[in-house]
Amino acid sequence: ILNVEQSPQSLHVQEGDSTNFTCSFPSSNFYALHWYRWETAKSPEALFVMTLNGDEKKKGRISATLNTKEGYSYLYIKGSQPEDSATYLCAFMGVNFNKFYFGSGTKLNVKP
Amino acid sequence: EAGVTQFPSHSVIEKGQTVTLRCDPISGHDNLYWYRRVMGKEIKFLLHFVKESKQDESGMPNNRFLAERTGGTYSTLKVQPAELEDSGVYFCASRHRDDNTGELFFGEGSRLTVL
Repeated sequence: ILNVEQSPQSLHVQEGDSTNFTCSFPSSNFYALHWYRWETAKSPEALFVMTLNGDEKKKGRISATLNTKEGYSYLYIKGSQPEDSATYLCAFMGVNFNKFYFGSGTKLNVKP
Repeated sequence: EAGVTQFPSHSVIEKGQTVTLRCDPISGHDNLYWYRRVMGKEIKFLLHFVKESKQDESGMPNNRFLAERTGGTYSTLKVQPAELEDSGVYFCASRHRDDNTGELFFGEGSRLTVL
């Protein structure tokens, strides 16, 4: 069983604040790292698929970086909006596996 | 294009009863996964189908859980007999066969409550 850890567990910010959270995963046998956004009562939706060390991906105000050698990925949200409120999940896949290991998620609440 | 659909969205049963959850993946997606989230913890892998074959069922908790994917289309997950600790949200996800790093497409989950 692999450990994928996310921190913090929850985060409360004001509208307009920028924020970031972390996903830690095994640094060996890396294959891919995914970020998903999960709104209440909906299904998780993919934000980013990251495969290369040093990858930086951006979608609007949200961006992510990847460090496979040290086993972490950061997700950044610039100028948080109430609609960004959701749980953000990361999922790790190793080279010898064909399944994803999920972290517990970071629950973000953005107050207007 | 229709997404991943799951049925039922919520099921409440008593301990000892049987429940069958169904997942219809996106058409053409050979990879189908079942995951479970219990009490706000991480989403845990249960099993993985490639078409109708079980590729990996290492996450299945015990022999009370039975998953099938006849014909390589929809999948069912049966829990018999259900125990209290089986309560949680069961997610199904699918992924295209040829896209090994491609994203998972999730259903909205089936919430199971065992009383």
